[in-house]
Amino acid sequence: GEDVEQSLFLSVREGDSSVINCTYTDSSSTYLYWYKQEPGAGLQLLTYIFSNMDMKQDQRLTVLLNKKDKHLSLRIADTQTGDSAIYFCAESLLYSGAGSYQLTFGKGTKLSVIP
Amino acid sequence: GAGVSQTPSNKVTEKGKYVELRCDPISGHTALYWYRQSLGQGPEFLIYFQGTGAADDSGLPNDRFFAVRPEGSVSTLKIQRTERGDSAVYLCASSRTSGRVSYNEQFFGPGTRLTVL
Repeated sequence: GEDVEQSLFLSVREGDSSVINCTYTDSSSTYLYWYKQEPGAGLQLLTYIFSNMDMKQDQRLTVLLNKKDKHLSLRIADTQTGDSAIYFCAESLLYSGAGSYQLTFGKGTKLSVIP
Repeated sequence: GAGVSQTPSNKVTEKGKYVELRCDPISGHTALYWYRQSLGQGPEFLIYFQGTGAADDSGLPNDRFFAVRPEGSVSTLKIQRTERGDSAVYLCASSRTSGRVSYNEQFFGPGTRLTVL
């Protein structure tokens, strides 16, 4: 079955690095994603990684994927107060019959940045 | 350009009533998804459209929920005989296509917050 787990809260000081962790259960995942949700706003895709990669870097964001342990992490360097939000880990499984890339989300990690 | 829009942004209704939630996807996006996000949870998949047809409705919780996309653009999620447990934010997402391509980002709308009293 599909299940995505995340810790619920993380608090960091401004300027420090944040690391948000996620575990997933389905080994046939094709893509793994990190989304950001701010109060009253829609989900914003931050970055994604294909399941045959182990690392992806995009400016302040670094995604690490450990396929053996089914562990995904998002590191935010130089965390700013504007990074305060809920971060969702998600995976997509390709169902070749329907062609659906439906996303399975974790419960989200609330990141609080202390000035 | 315009993103995914959803109307209404808020809907309050009474238990047992019928509601319709609308999604306007990004122009040209053939794939459309509905998700439901309950308080403190991540979004959960409800239904996926490719063009006009519902290609995957495995996430619909029961037969009170139904969705249509008659012209392959705007979609309406319909909930009959609403229950208090239906209270959630209903999110719509669209992407350019799906299936035989390597990656398609889903763009999410702001959601409709449904409250059933």
